[in-house]
Amino acid sequence: AQSVAQPEDQVNVAEGNPLTVKCTYSVSGNPYLFWYVQYPNRGLQFLLKYITGDNLVKGSYGFEAEFNKSQTSFHLKKPSALVSDSALYFCAVRETSGGYQKVTFGTGTKLQVIP
Amino acid sequence: DTGVSQNPRHKITKRGQNVTFRCDPISEHNRLYWYRQTLGQGPEFLTYFQNEAQLEKSRLLSDRFSAERPKGSFSTLEIQRTEQGDSAMYLCASSLGTGEFRRETQYFGPGTRLLVL
Repeated sequence: AQSVAQPEDQVNVAEGNPLTVKCTYSVSGNPYLFWYVQYPNRGLQFLLKYITGDNLVKGSYGFEAEFNKSQTSFHLKKPSALVSDSALYFCAVRETSGGYQKVTFGTGTKLQVIP
Repeated sequence: DTGVSQNPRHKITKRGQNVTFRCDPISEHNRLYWYRQTLGQGPEFLTYFQNEAQLEKSRLLSDRFSAERPKGSFSTLEIQRTEQGDSAMYLCASSLGTGEFRRETQYFGPGTRLLVL
């Protein structure tokens, strides 16, 4: 069965510093990976996805993620954090099973950007 | 706003009552999904529609839960005889299905937060 792990419940970073939110995955076939962000009392907003191709994926709001097959990781990064980036971040993986897709989300990582 | 919308945004009900939530997907999207999210957890898949057909249901979806998408546009999720354990955020997402599921991106609505007293 596929799974996603976000090992950090919370990440604190100073404004202007680079940030990394970690994600590791486990699938039996090729992984299709996603990052979403959730602001308080809001639904999830799509940030970026990895399907195939370049290991560095660029997404919305200056975020990017690096796919590393050997380490089964898909860490989210941003060169310079903003206070407005403070939110809950979810990593997700999709895998087709019997013709139907199943999406599995991680438990989320709360990002706190300190002014 | 052409995104996914959900109504109501908040619902407080007493145990044993029935509740119904509505989701309006992005207009051209043929696939619609319901998820449940509890505090401190990621969304958990409940059910999925392609057009008006309900093609998959999670084991999380007990007999008290029913979902419909009668005309392949908006969808409703009904919970009968609510229990305190049903308290959660119910999220709807939609996507444009063109063949391979894995390449799709799901777009989420703001959610309906349910509190069962």
